[in-house]
Amino acid sequence: SAVISQKPSRDICQRGTSLTIQCQVDSQVTMMFWYRQQPGQSLTLIATANQGSEATYESGFVIDKFPISRPNLTFSTLTVSNMSPEDSSIYLCSVGALAGTEQFFGPGTRLTVL
Amino acid sequence: AQRVTQPEKLLSVFKGAPVELKCNYSYSGSPELFWYVQYSRQRLQLLLRHISRESIKGFTADLNKGETSFHLKKPFAQEEDSAMYYCALTTSGTYKYIFGTGTRLKVLA
Repeated sequence: SAVISQKPSRDICQRGTSLTIQCQVDSQVTMMFWYRQQPGQSLTLIATANQGSEATYESGFVIDKFPISRPNLTFSTLTVSNMSPEDSSIYLCSVGALAGTEQFFGPGTRLTVL
Repeated sequence: AQRVTQPEKLLSVFKGAPVELKCNYSYSGSPELFWYVQYSRQRLQLLLRHISRESIKGFTADLNKGETSFHLKKPFAQEEDSAMYYCALTTSGTYKYIFGTGTRLKVLA
């Protein structure tokens, strides 16, 4: 198993600003994932972050809006850029050991954009 | 396209009553299916997966490929089962999860 922490746990931001969310894992992992959970919606995968390479974005998500860093095997950041109220969501970080197996989730970051 | 459908947003049952949370999926290949649970003020965590065929906290789920379903069942609900339940699909060899919209289970005393 893996223990994941996220910072901040919540934030209220103004339109047009950016917020960087940090994800820290207590062990080295190959794959880290970023999800978005909009109010009343399911979890949607934003991107997969591998250490030492560019993140892989899902359809509908672009690097300019959601830049991701993965400087080492225990840490990643997701930035939500030029925010609008539609970006108000819970953002979750997760890790997985093997393809098709359990993923471990962080506690989430609740973002409200005014 | 792959899709997971949970038709019920909210399911309320009385303590001791049977529970069935429905999950249907759309995928042409061989899926791997999971149930995740989120208790109040806790993070999302794995409840069970179809390949292990185990019972966790009294819950079981059987993959029915003919009906493309993976319903979660428990014969006697307990108040501590109240939580948000998500059905999820992944395909062998990939890390990508497709989640359903979730069902909130409320077990009434």
